[in-house]
Amino acid sequence: EAGVVQSPRYKIIEKKQPVAFWCNPISGHNTLYWYLQNLGQGPELLIRYENEEAVDDSQLPKDRFSAERLKGVDSTLKIQPAELGDSAVYLCASSPTGLETQYFGPGTRLLVL
Amino acid sequence: SQQGEEDPQALSIQEGENATMNCSYKTSINNLQWYRQNSGRGLVHLILIRSNEREKHSGRLRVTLDTSKKSSSLLITASRAADTASYFCATSFGAGSYQLTFGKGTKLSVIP
Repeated sequence: EAGVVQSPRYKIIEKKQPVAFWCNPISGHNTLYWYLQNLGQGPELLIRYENEEAVDDSQLPKDRFSAERLKGVDSTLKIQPAELGDSAVYLCASSPTGLETQYFGPGTRLLVL
Repeated sequence: SQQGEEDPQALSIQEGENATMNCSYKTSINNLQWYRQNSGRGLVHLILIRSNEREKHSGRLRVTLDTSKKSSSLLITASRAADTASYFCATSFGAGSYQLTFGKGTKLSVIP
């Protein structure tokens, strides 16, 4: 069974530029999560989807961050414009509905210069 | 904000020794999970313990939960170099909630 796929694995951009991250969850997993992980910290939830509906986006900085999950499968997280403080690892996770265990992708490491 | 706090922040042991990591949290929980993260990788689920359970085992892993003290411990017995990783506890609270709140993690180094 393929795991959660994320791309790109690494991204270097200049501040004020836009950037997008893509996630393909495990087949059949209806719940999808985006997390932000700063160096030396644990992941912090940005947004959670149940199918195509964002059911918890309270921690998503909506002035510059946006996310979508069209057709309830793949998801894209966008930052526009990026700031220096956005440098971090962006993790995607998925789980079957009703299951507490989450399955994580390898993450996208973003560096904003 | 981070709900769980792991202790110690870093731990270095010799291969074959046991490793114990602790997690404290602030509010009542539904369950507590432990995850492992190898350098540059995503997190891997290790074990889940529910609020009405006190101890669970999985292979070389033993997890305890003390809800009165709002704390949990993860014991890895007979450690191996491959156990070198960061270990995070994550708590879920609130009825029907599957949202996890992670701690800052314990960085374990197992020296061959």
